[in-house]
Amino acid sequence: EAGVVQSPRYKIIEKKQPVAFWCNPISGHNTLYWYRQNLGQGPELLIRYENEEAVDDSQLPKDRFSAERLKGVDSTLKIQPAELGDSAVYLCASSSRQGAPDTQYFGPGTRLTVL
Amino acid sequence: LAKTTQPISMDSYEGQEVNITCSHNNIATNDYITWYQQFPSQGPRFIIQGYKTKVTNEVASLFIPADRKSSTLSLPRVSLSDTAVYYCLVGDTDAGKSTFGDGTTLTVKP
Repeated sequence: EAGVVQSPRYKIIEKKQPVAFWCNPISGHNTLYWYRQNLGQGPELLIRYENEEAVDDSQLPKDRFSAERLKGVDSTLKIQPAELGDSAVYLCASSSRQGAPDTQYFGPGTRLTVL
Repeated sequence: LAKTTQPISMDSYEGQEVNITCSHNNIATNDYITWYQQFPSQGPRFIIQGYKTKVTNEVASLFIPADRKSSTLSLPRVSLSDTAVYYCLVGDTDAGKSTFGDGTTLTVKP
């Protein structure tokens, strides 16, 4: 079974530039999460989707961050414009109602560096 | 959301049993306790989950006392490859609400 796929793995941009991250969850997983992880800290939830609906985006900085999950499968997280403080690893995870409750499967993440 | 408290770091030696305790004093009735492991440059990986008493799988055991205000992840006979950050999460899994803390960095020495 293929895991969660994210791209790109690394991205370096200058501040004020836009950037986008892509995530393909595990097939059949209805729930998709985007997290941000700063160095030395645990992942921080940005947004959670149930199918194509964003059910929890309370921690998403909506002035510059946006996300979409068209057709309830792949998802894209965008930052525009990027700021220095956005440098972090952006993790995507997915889960299913089957099996252990809320077991999240994570992708490898995208490491963003804003210069 | 229930807040969790874990030690920042722990050291161990190969072959020893390691116990990492997580405090979650305000755990709610519907909350499960879940542990994840994270290696550098990788996303977290599910280890084990429980609601009460004891849960064991091929990787670890999870001990939860009757009051559920804490839990202990037990790793038997650790090896160098168990060096990682371990996160304890507490949350209502049906609502998809659980929060990562800053985890415990376990360093296994030869």
